[in-house]
Amino acid sequence: DAMVIQNPRYQVTQFGKPVTLSCSQTLNHNVMYWYQQKSSQAPKLLFHYYDKDFNNEADTPDNFQSRRPNTSFCFLDIRSPGLGDAAMYLCATSRAETSGIYFGPGTRLTVT
Amino acid sequence: AQSVSQHNHHVILSEAASLELGCNYSYGGTVNLFWYVQYPGQHLQLLLKYFSGDPLVKGIKGFEAEFIKSKFSFNLRKPSVQWSDTAEYFCAVNSPGTYKYIFGTGTRLKVLA
Repeated sequence: DAMVIQNPRYQVTQFGKPVTLSCSQTLNHNVMYWYQQKSSQAPKLLFHYYDKDFNNEADTPDNFQSRRPNTSFCFLDIRSPGLGDAAMYLCATSRAETSGIYFGPGTRLTVT
Repeated sequence: AQSVSQHNHHVILSEAASLELGCNYSYGGTVNLFWYVQYPGQHLQLLLKYFSGDPLVKGIKGFEAEFIKSKFSFNLRKPSVQWSDTAEYFCAVNSPGTYKYIFGTGTRLKVLA
């Protein structure tokens, strides 16, 4: 089945220790997204790619970076995680603006 | 900037009761509207969407939503809920020509058997 895959599903990192979250898709969608979701809050868009064009949200901290080496893969790098960065990180893809977006299962990040 | 409001944060219903979850958005131009559902332990899934045409749209599992432009609303409805509808429901919006999807804070629905 075509899908959005996130690895790992659970990630524990130490305060200040860089961490990378991975996402891959078999849907061949042009657009890939990273959302941050904290408990009882809306998923918050961090950035998205249209093909290789990167679109950063104005309020996304500089601590968060992303890479998309090809259509299928996208990475979220958190350079110096703080306790406030503990959250669920959702990767998603989209084919068209009217199609909706397809989410992966998420990676739950814990910062100790 | 666009925003989406879901005023009901928690809803508890008995099976067979009717459901209506509110969603209002702030953007005054043309929008595409979506409802997503997240069942316990599962990822977010598209329930239904509206981008043009009949303002009453039908989705999976008996859900429907009505777009009322004058009220900036896209409320989700189901005539008779089931225990299996227990989930969190998110409303989302994007503007034509963009690929940014903005989500509401969600409504947790609990259906009592």
